[in-house]
Amino acid sequence: DAKTTQPPSMDCAEGRAANLPCNHSTISGNEYVYWYRQIHSQGPQYIIHGLKNNETNEMASLIITEDRKSSTLILPHATLRDTAVYYCIVAPSSGTYKYIFGTGTRLKVLA
Amino acid sequence: NAGVTQTPKFQVLKTGQSMTLQCAQDMNHNSMYWYRQDPGMGLRLIYYSASEGTTDKGEVPNGYNVSRLNKREFSLRLESAAPSQTSVYFCASSTKTGGFYGYTFGSGTRLTVV
Repeated sequence: DAKTTQPPSMDCAEGRAANLPCNHSTISGNEYVYWYRQIHSQGPQYIIHGLKNNETNEMASLIITEDRKSSTLILPHATLRDTAVYYCIVAPSSGTYKYIFGTGTRLKVLA
Repeated sequence: NAGVTQTPKFQVLKTGQSMTLQCAQDMNHNSMYWYRQDPGMGLRLIYYSASEGTTDKGEVPNGYNVSRLNKREFSLRLESAAPSQTSVYFCASSTKTGGFYGYTFGSGTRLTVV
């Protein structure tokens, strides 16, 4: 079973920030939080990952709570091309990462 | 472009036929994976290979075999296809080197078993 819980769907207006939550209350100390997205039926695309500090890259920001039991992926200015299924995954930082995917959040960006 | 290449992109099989899905990566990654994705579902791990010469079962290995031919190539074989194996199959690779710890996925093979 997936170690994360995400809402099944969300809508966001184009140009607004999209905030996608993820609960991972059983996360272990050596596990990172990864976010991927899947547009249509393409292969999932890496977005961002973090351990305990907030992270930002050119695609998104990742906010991880201090107790690391939940996180939020932020797309600062959502566009129609951000419509996708977003997956939150926890996996250890060493060894081979056998990702366990849940069903993700289907984000629809509205014009 | 560097990445993960899967062949074929589409395939229709009759029940009982066999086939091999090919996957190759040119990023010098150590680990490779095969996932399947059924409609409306998340991805499920079939088999993975932590390094050249090793393979291990994932969540749903029944009905499949794999071969890590070399560091670049990881193939998935269906010996006797069944309609329940109709799915989209994704290959992925990963590495710990260079400070990036994520997966790179291929574009998928859409398999229909009739």
